[in-house]
Amino acid sequence: AQTVTQSQPEMSVQEAETVTLSCTYDTSESNYYLFWYKQPPSRQMILVIRQEAYKQQNATENRFSVNFQKAAKSFSLKISDSQLGDTAMYFCAFISLYGQNFVFGPGTRLSVLP
Amino acid sequence: SQTIHQWPATLVQPVGSPLSLECTVEGTSNPNLYWYRQAAGRGLQLLFYSVGIGQISSEVPQNLSASRPQDRQFILSSKKLLLSDSGFYLCAWSERREAQYFGPGTRLLVL
Repeated sequence: AQTVTQSQPEMSVQEAETVTLSCTYDTSESNYYLFWYKQPPSRQMILVIRQEAYKQQNATENRFSVNFQKAAKSFSLKISDSQLGDTAMYFCAFISLYGQNFVFGPGTRLSVLP
Repeated sequence: SQTIHQWPATLVQPVGSPLSLECTVEGTSNPNLYWYRQAAGRGLQLLFYSVGIGQISSEVPQNLSASRPQDRQFILSSKKLLLSDSGFYLCAWSERREAQYFGPGTRLLVL
Protein backbone atom coordinates (compact mmCIF):
# COMPACT_ATOMS: atom_id res chain seq x y z
CA ALA A 1 0.00 0.00 0.00
CA GLN A 2 1.11 3.51 -0.70
CA THR A 3 2.06 5.78 2.19
CA VAL A 4 2.92 9.47 2.42
CA THR A 5 5.15 10.85 5.15
CA GLN A 6 5.64 14.45 6.23
CA SER A 7 8.37 14.49 8.85
CA GLN A 8 7.91 18.11 9.95
CA PRO A 9 4.77 18.51 12.11
CA GLU A 10 5.36 22.26 12.49
CA MET A 11 7.51 24.89 10.85
CA SER A 12 7.82 28.64 10.96
CA VAL A 13 9.32 31.21 8.62
CA GLN A 14 9.77 34.95 8.63
CA GLU A 15 7.71 36.96 6.20
CA ALA A 16 9.46 37.37 2.81
CA GLU A 17 11.80 34.44 3.51
CA THR A 18 11.84 31.05 1.75
CA VAL A 19 10.74 27.79 3.36
CA THR A 20 10.80 24.18 2.19
CA LEU A 21 8.33 21.53 3.36
CA SER A 22 9.34 17.89 3.05
CA CYS A 23 7.34 14.94 1.79
CA THR A 24 8.34 11.37 1.06
CA TYR A 25 6.17 8.58 -0.25
CA ASP A 26 6.32 4.88 -0.75
CA THR A 27 5.00 3.13 -3.84
CA SER A 28 5.99 0.33 -6.16
CA GLU A 29 4.29 1.98 -9.13
CA SER A 30 6.02 4.11 -11.74
CA ASN A 31 3.12 6.27 -12.91
CA TYR A 32 1.34 8.49 -10.43
CA TYR A 33 0.47 12.06 -9.46
CA LEU A 34 1.65 14.07 -6.48
CA PHE A 35 -0.01 17.11 -4.94
CA TRP A 36 0.38 19.76 -2.29
CA TYR A 37 -2.76 21.08 -0.62
CA LYS A 38 -3.08 24.06 1.67
CA GLN A 39 -5.62 24.25 4.49
CA PRO A 40 -5.83 27.74 6.05
CA PRO A 41 -7.67 28.44 9.32
CA SER A 42 -10.95 28.48 7.36
CA ARG A 43 -10.27 24.73 6.82
CA GLN A 44 -11.02 24.95 3.10
CA MET A 45 -8.65 22.57 1.30
CA ILE A 46 -6.97 24.32 -1.62
CA LEU A 47 -4.89 22.66 -4.32
CA VAL A 48 -1.51 24.40 -4.46
CA ILE A 49 0.46 22.44 -7.02
CA ARG A 50 0.43 19.15 -8.94
CA GLN A 51 3.19 17.00 -10.41
CA GLU A 52 2.94 14.12 -12.85
CA ALA A 53 5.54 11.45 -12.09
CA TYR A 54 6.39 10.95 -15.77
CA LYS A 55 7.44 14.59 -16.10
CA GLN A 56 11.01 15.32 -15.06
CA GLN A 57 10.45 19.06 -14.97
CA ASN A 58 9.50 20.36 -11.55
CA ALA A 59 6.09 22.06 -11.35
CA THR A 60 5.89 25.76 -10.50
CA GLU A 61 2.94 27.96 -9.58
CA ASN A 62 3.95 31.55 -8.89
CA ARG A 63 5.77 31.54 -5.51
CA PHE A 64 5.29 27.79 -5.07
CA SER A 65 7.61 25.22 -6.62
CA VAL A 66 8.43 21.59 -6.01
CA ASN A 67 11.59 19.51 -5.99
CA PHE A 68 10.53 16.13 -7.31
CA GLN A 69 13.12 13.38 -6.88
CA LYS A 70 11.50 10.23 -8.26
CA ALA A 71 14.31 7.82 -7.41
CA ALA A 72 14.38 9.06 -3.84
CA LYS A 73 10.57 9.21 -3.69
CA SER A 74 10.76 12.75 -2.43
CA PHE A 75 8.44 15.66 -3.22
CA SER A 76 9.25 18.85 -1.34
CA LEU A 77 7.43 22.18 -1.60
CA LYS A 78 9.31 25.46 -1.67
CA ILE A 79 7.49 28.66 -0.83
CA SER A 80 9.36 31.79 -1.85
CA ASP A 81 8.73 35.28 -0.51
CA SER A 82 6.50 33.90 2.25
CA GLN A 83 3.40 35.92 3.03
CA LEU A 84 1.21 36.01 6.14
CA GLY A 85 -1.57 34.42 4.10
CA ASP A 86 0.60 31.34 3.60
CA THR A 87 0.01 30.40 7.24
CA ALA A 88 -1.82 27.06 7.01
CA MET A 89 -1.61 23.30 7.25
CA TYR A 90 0.05 21.82 4.19
CA PHE A 91 -0.74 18.29 3.06
CA CYS A 92 1.20 16.21 0.58
CA ALA A 93 -0.89 13.71 -1.39
CA PHE A 94 -0.42 10.86 -3.87
CA ILE A 95 -2.57 8.92 -6.30
CA SER A 96 -1.44 6.18 -8.63
CA LEU A 97 -2.36 6.31 -12.28
CA TYR A 98 -4.77 3.41 -11.86
CA GLY A 99 -5.94 4.06 -8.32
CA GLN A 100 -9.20 5.49 -7.02
CA ASN A 101 -8.05 6.89 -3.71
CA PHE A 102 -5.82 9.79 -2.86
CA VAL A 103 -3.36 9.10 -0.05
CA PHE A 104 -2.61 12.09 2.20
CA GLY A 105 0.27 12.74 4.54
CA PRO A 106 -0.31 13.85 8.15
CA GLY A 107 0.35 17.51 7.34
CA THR A 108 2.83 20.24 8.28
CA ARG A 109 1.63 23.30 10.14
CA LEU A 110 3.36 26.38 8.73
CA SER A 111 3.37 29.69 10.52
CA VAL A 112 4.57 32.81 8.71
CA LEU A 113 5.81 35.34 11.24
CA PRO A 114 5.64 39.12 10.68
CA SER B 1 -16.41 25.81 -14.14
CA GLN B 2 -16.96 23.21 -11.48
CA THR B 3 -18.19 23.97 -7.99
CA ILE B 4 -18.86 21.79 -4.98
CA HIS B 5 -21.36 22.56 -2.25
CA GLN B 6 -21.74 21.13 1.21
CA TRP B 7 -24.41 21.74 3.81
CA PRO B 8 -24.96 22.45 6.52
CA ALA B 9 -21.81 24.39 7.36
CA THR B 10 -22.16 23.71 11.08
CA LEU B 11 -24.26 21.19 12.97
CA VAL B 12 -24.75 20.48 16.67
CA GLN B 13 -26.55 17.22 17.38
CA PRO B 14 -27.30 15.17 20.52
CA VAL B 15 -25.93 11.67 20.92
CA GLY B 16 -28.28 9.11 19.39
CA SER B 17 -29.81 11.49 16.86
CA PRO B 18 -29.69 10.85 13.09
CA LEU B 19 -27.37 12.62 10.67
CA SER B 20 -27.58 13.65 7.04
CA LEU B 21 -24.85 15.69 5.35
CA GLU B 22 -25.22 16.55 1.70
CA CYS B 23 -22.69 17.28 -1.00
CA THR B 24 -23.41 18.30 -4.58
CA VAL B 25 -21.11 19.02 -7.50
CA GLU B 26 -21.87 21.24 -10.47
CA GLY B 27 -20.20 21.52 -13.85
CA THR B 28 -18.96 17.97 -14.29
CA SER B 29 -20.36 14.54 -15.09
CA ASN B 30 -19.69 11.18 -13.47
CA PRO B 31 -17.11 12.45 -10.98
CA ASN B 32 -15.51 10.30 -8.32
CA LEU B 33 -16.86 11.48 -4.97
CA TYR B 34 -15.29 11.20 -1.53
CA TRP B 35 -16.17 11.76 2.14
CA TYR B 36 -13.36 12.50 4.59
CA ARG B 37 -13.33 13.22 8.31
CA GLN B 38 -10.73 15.40 9.97
CA ALA B 39 -10.15 15.77 13.69
CA ALA B 40 -8.91 19.16 14.88
CA GLY B 41 -5.29 19.72 13.83
CA ARG B 42 -5.05 16.28 12.29
CA GLY B 43 -4.94 14.68 8.86
CA LEU B 44 -7.68 13.39 6.62
CA GLN B 45 -9.38 10.06 7.17
CA LEU B 46 -11.11 8.67 4.08
CA LEU B 47 -14.57 7.39 4.98
CA PHE B 48 -16.26 6.55 1.68
CA TYR B 49 -15.73 6.96 -2.02
CA SER B 50 -17.97 6.46 -5.02
CA VAL B 51 -17.17 5.98 -8.70
CA GLY B 52 -20.80 6.09 -9.86
CA ILE B 53 -24.48 6.17 -8.89
CA GLY B 54 -25.23 3.57 -6.25
CA GLN B 55 -21.56 2.48 -6.04
CA ILE B 56 -20.15 3.09 -2.57
CA SER B 57 -16.90 1.81 -1.08
CA SER B 58 -16.29 2.03 2.64
CA GLU B 59 -12.78 2.49 3.93
CA VAL B 60 -13.38 2.39 7.66
CA PRO B 61 -15.97 0.32 9.59
CA GLN B 62 -18.02 2.79 11.59
CA ASN B 63 -21.32 4.23 12.57
CA LEU B 64 -21.74 6.05 9.26
CA SER B 65 -23.06 5.21 5.80
CA ALA B 66 -23.04 6.94 2.44
CA SER B 67 -25.30 7.03 -0.58
CA ARG B 68 -25.14 8.43 -4.08
CA PRO B 69 -28.71 8.76 -5.35
CA GLN B 70 -27.76 10.99 -8.28
CA ASP B 71 -24.64 11.43 -10.37
CA ARG B 72 -23.51 14.59 -8.59
CA GLN B 73 -25.00 14.08 -5.15
CA PHE B 74 -23.28 12.36 -2.26
CA ILE B 75 -24.90 11.94 1.15
CA LEU B 76 -23.33 10.95 4.47
CA SER B 77 -25.72 9.51 7.04
CA SER B 78 -25.99 7.98 10.45
CA LYS B 79 -28.96 6.46 12.25
CA LYS B 80 -27.56 7.19 15.72
CA LEU B 81 -24.69 9.58 16.31
CA LEU B 82 -21.89 8.83 18.77
CA LEU B 83 -19.70 11.33 20.57
CA SER B 84 -16.78 10.06 18.51
CA ASP B 85 -18.54 11.16 15.32
CA SER B 86 -17.68 14.79 16.11
CA GLY B 87 -15.29 16.33 13.61
CA PHE B 88 -14.91 18.21 10.39
CA TYR B 89 -16.38 16.46 7.36
CA LEU B 90 -15.09 17.20 3.91
CA CYS B 91 -16.60 16.18 0.59
CA ALA B 92 -14.38 16.08 -2.49
CA TRP B 93 -14.62 15.24 -6.16
CA SER B 94 -12.09 14.21 -8.76
CA GLU B 95 -12.01 13.50 -12.44
CA ARG B 96 -9.36 11.40 -14.18
CA ARG B 97 -7.17 11.47 -11.02
CA GLU B 98 -5.67 14.78 -12.06
CA ALA B 99 -6.59 16.43 -8.79
CA GLN B 100 -9.11 16.33 -5.98
CA TYR B 101 -11.26 19.35 -5.20
CA PHE B 102 -12.85 19.91 -1.84
CA GLY B 103 -16.02 21.47 -0.55
CA PRO B 104 -16.06 24.01 2.31
CA GLY B 105 -16.72 21.30 4.91
CA THR B 106 -19.22 20.70 7.72
CA ARG B 107 -18.34 21.11 11.38
CA LEU B 108 -20.22 18.48 13.39
CA LEU B 109 -20.38 18.58 17.16
CA VAL B 110 -22.11 15.70 18.92
CA LEU B 111 -23.10 16.46 22.52
